Amino acid sequence: AQRVTQPEKLLSVFKGAPVELKCNYSYSGSPELFWYVQYSRQRLQLLLRHISRESIKGFTADLNKGETSFHLKKPFAQEEDSAMYYCALSLSGGYNKLIFGAGTRLAVHP
Amino acid sequence: NAGVMQNPRHLVRRRGQEARLRCSPMKGHSHVYWYRQLPEEGLKFMVYLQKENIIDESGMPKERFSAEFPKEGPSILRIQQVVRGDSAAYFCASSPDRGGYEQYFGPGTRLTVT
Repeated sequence: AQRVTQPEKLLSVFKGAPVELKCNYSYSGSPELFWYVQYSRQRLQLLLRHISRESIKGFTADLNKGETSFHLKKPFAQEEDSAMYYCALSLSGGYNKLIFGAGTRLAVHP
Repeated sequence: NAGVMQNPRHLVRRRGQEARLRCSPMKGHSHVYWYRQLPEEGLKFMVYLQKENIIDESGMPKERFSAEFPKEGPSILRIQQVVRGDSAAYFCASSPDRGGYEQYFGPGTRLTVT
């Protein structure tokens, strides 16, 4: 069965510290993975997708098919990074049906 | 562009009543997804619709839930005879085309069943 696992409910770091939000997936097909972010009082929005291989707001994520992981990383956390982060898997099939993880709340302290 | 609109933002219903949740996609978007988020859980896919068509309703409970996206007007998620377990946040997202990878989310409707 398709599944996305985010093992940490809460990740608490100090400003300037490195951040890694973990995401593991289970899917027998060719995965397409995303990170979505929800800042306080804002809507869920796309942060990045693995195919684009870009860095957004200093965040990067690499798809590791061997470990079935798509961890989100940032070398130096900023207070404005505090938010809820969701990893999501899109199932192949011509449209973008998303399977979400439970989310990790990132709290960056000054 | 106002983005995806959902109303109401908060809805309180007594057990047995009907709940109607509305979603207006972004201008130019003809594809709508509905997701449900229970407390402490991630968003769970419910249904994917195009104008006048239900494409994938594999995440919809078999009874009491229905969805539509008419040619004119918003998409509607209808829950009949609500029960306490239906209390959740319901999100809709729209995209401009079938294969579009980015979904634009609405602010959600928080349904509370008393």
